Amino acid sequence: YVLTQPPSVSVAPGQTARLTCGGDNVGRKSVHWYRQSPGQAPVLVVSDDSDRPAGISERFSGSNSGNTATLTISRVEAGDEADYYCQVWNSGSDHPVFGGGTKLTVL
Amino acid sequence: EVQLLESGGGLVQPGGSLRLSCLPSGFSFDHYGMNWVRQAPGKGLEWVSSINVGGTTSYADSVRGRFAISRDKSKNLLYLQMNSLTVEDTATYFCVKGQAGTYRATFFDYWGQGTLVTVSS
Repeated sequence: YVLTQPPSVSVAPGQTARLTCGGDNVGRKSVHWYRQSPGQAPVLVVSDDSDRPAGISERFSGSNSGNTATLTISRVEAGDEADYYCQVWNSGSDHPVFGGGTKLTVL
Repeated sequence: EVQLLESGGGLVQPGGSLRLSCLPSGFSFDHYGMNWVRQAPGKGLEWVSSINVGGTTSYADSVRGRFAISRDKSKNLLYLQMNSLTVEDTATYFCVKGQAGTYRATFFDYWGQGTLVTVSS
């Protein structure tokens, strides 16, 4: 099972960033999102399509339908610059799968 | 506060072995599935292996038969024994906590800072 993410997305500060994660009927799966700042470990920012863990800003939200899941970051800040990865559980192979990651650049 | 502290990384020659350890704290280790995820330099995340609370394990095809995950409840430690290492195994290895006792259909709620494994002659 393959998850496809655009390699890069650029957005100006204060604008909205939409990061996509494509997969065959991904809307039928639970999608999780991780942020990895440079030189740091990944951090869970959205689980089960749209749940936000404690401590994650309300500016982060998620949706999932059809063949595309989306992580939306509102009012983007310089500190949001990072790599973002989506992840699902692939029941076919019985193991987790990560997307290739999207590098978010804040202009 | 949940913390995961990896150790054991380093430089090893192709064909060699290495054992990684992970010391968890801040949660009941016995109650959660645990995982190893790796990241080659400049590349994305790759799941390596998982173990549930009962000791059932799962491996990526790329490491099956060469790597072994285990957990020692008495010592509160997670391990990854890596044998027959190749240059393609060069990566930072992250110890990762699952959000449930099983490893199936779960997500990864806490990550360690990682330990670098370099396989080179």
